[in-house]
Amino acid sequence: QKEVEQNSGPLSVPEGAIASLNCTYSDRGSQSFFWYRQYSGKSPELIMSIYSNGDKEDGRFTAQLNKASQYVSLLIRDSQPSDSATYLCAFRGGTALIFGKGTTLSVSS
Amino acid sequence: DVKVTQSSRYLVKRTGEKVFLECVQDMDHENMFWYRQDPGLGLRLIYFSYDVKMKEKGDIPEGYSVSREKKERFSLILESASTNQTSMYLCASSLPRGPGELFFGEGSRLTVL
Repeated sequence: QKEVEQNSGPLSVPEGAIASLNCTYSDRGSQSFFWYRQYSGKSPELIMSIYSNGDKEDGRFTAQLNKASQYVSLLIRDSQPSDSATYLCAFRGGTALIFGKGTTLSVSS
Repeated sequence: DVKVTQSSRYLVKRTGEKVFLECVQDMDHENMFWYRQDPGLGLRLIYFSYDVKMKEKGDIPEGYSVSREKKERFSLILESASTNQTSMYLCASSLPRGPGELFFGEGSRLTVL
């Protein structure tokens, strides 16, 4: 069974802090990993993708991948109240994506 | 921009009714998917299709069927709706090659009474 494990949270951080979201996955063969953000009542939107070991930065977001440990993380620097959402980790398992249950992030001003 | 459009944002149906959820994408993507999302259970794959008239079962296909007569359109059918099918239904599409990121529609919230 291909699975993704995420801490459901809620993760609470003050405005301006770094938020760290973590994810482990079961499929050693997967090559593609994604972070989606989902606001309440909305559909998921892709914010980061990562395919090789190491870090990938995009603005305030950094994704980190460690295939040996089967671990993916997302760092959000200078967190803003608008970052308050549920963050879904996913990996490609065949044609479809396998999603974690999501981590709820709350950024307080 | 990729546009995935789901025909109904909110639906209320009675137990036993036949329900059609429609999804259209405008980016010529071969792959299309139906997920449902429930609190505490996350996103679960119901069915997907990698070509016209082709379909594959996902993790929870029971009680559902799908139709893909045209490349841009993928329909989810609940033959006889039940209360445990009350959920948020999300349609998505992707290219067949490449990393596989999904582009989601806005979702259809179905309530079965």
